This record gives sequence, structure tokens and C-alpha cells, in this order.
Amino acid sequence: GAGVSQTPSNKVTEKGKYVELRCDPISGHTALYWYRQSLGQGPEFLIYFQGTGAADDSGLPNDRFFAVRPEGSVSTLKIQRTERGDSAVYLCASSQGLAGGSDIQYFGAGTRLSVL
Amino acid sequence: AQKITQTQPGMFVQEKEAVTLDCTYDTSDQSYGLFWYKQPSSGEMIFLIYQGSYDEQNATEGRYSLNFQKARKSANLVISASQLGDSAMYFCAMREGRGTYKYIFGTGTRLKVLA
Repeated sequence: GAGVSQTPSNKVTEKGKYVELRCDPISGHTALYWYRQSLGQGPEFLIYFQGTGAADDSGLPNDRFFAVRPEGSVSTLKIQRTERGDSAVYLCASSQGLAGGSDIQYFGAGTRLSVL
Repeated sequence: AQKITQTQPGMFVQEKEAVTLDCTYDTSDQSYGLFWYKQPSSGEMIFLIYQGSYDEQNATEGRYSLNFQKARKSANLVISASQLGDSAMYFCAMREGRGTYKYIFGTGTRLKVLA
């Protein structure tokens, strides 16, 4: 597609449930990032993929969070046993994966997760 | 550790005037990238402008320019001829030039353009 696509745009779930958030990056982009954005804050890094492998998952808050990118394109962020504190907007971005500082990330519209 | 600081939580500017949004950063790397993103109320992060740490010229993209002062570790965004559609949150971000290349974002500045 022309841009980064995230589905669903909104997700409401109950505490303790499992959720999956999907990201479809820009075609040809090898790098994919997940961020979490709480109200009034900047995006907080969660995990970065280069191709199929997670190059850096240091931002995942705990073992309830997991992400995959099995074919190096679409990625799924999985949250187990959701808690109310997980409520936030989850942003996905993709880039060409260039070395150095010049690699520009392009973001999707985000998934707003609400845990009741 | 890398850090981005945006000290202006909110700014007002009159339509057609210029406005400067402040950003300072902290890094021990010599190679890094600095970025500005706009986030309107719809929520999508829109890339505006990029400045590389080795670039000698300040970056410009249309009405956006980046006032890069490396010694002071500042990367302020200047928007000229403000338009009502410029009202949004603006985030400054930095990307390490090596390692895992993750971005670090500031807390943002909310800009309101007045008619």
C-alpha cells in the first residue's frame, strides 16, 4: 500500500483478555518499529525489526508484550492478560532500514487500545 | 543516555507569522539524525524535516526550516507564514547513527495558530 496501515483503528477489551494489533508497512521497507503513546506524551519505543528478526526489544515493558514479523512484512503486536495501564495508542512505523542517522520513519495512524 | 527535551508545552502564533519550536538533545554519538514530526488531532505522525549531524547547512522543506546549532545541541523548528492547518502537536526526535537505530522522542509542543 501507499502508507503504513494499522488495524484495528480502535480496540476495546476487558482486563485480562488477549489482543493482537496488526501493522502493514510500506512496501519494500525492511525496518519496522512499534511505539506506545500515552495521552500528552511522545511516542515510547517498544521494539524494532530489521527484516524478520527483532533487532531491539528493549522497550517492551514486560513479558506480556510480544511482537512478530514472520515474513519480514506484516507485524503483529500481541498483548496477553491486558491491564488497564496498557490503554494507549500503539503506533507502528516503517523505514528503509538505512544505516546511519538518516533513515526516515513513516507512521501509521495508530491503534487506540482501551482496556476496561 | 540519549535524551530529547522540548520545554514549550504549548505555543500560540498569529496566522501568517513565523514561530520557533524549541528542541535540545543530548547524545555522546557523533553520528545521529534529528527529525520533526507533526501530529494533528487525527493522530497520525507526519514527517516534516530531517537534519543529519554532519550536515553543515540547515535543513529546509517548504515553510519548515531546522535551526541546527550543534555546539549548543539544539534543533529548533521554524515554521514561516503560519496557517490554521499548522495547529497540531509537534515532536522532535533523534535517531542514533549506529546500534539499533531506535528513535527517541520529546514530549511535544502543542501549537495553536490564531486567525
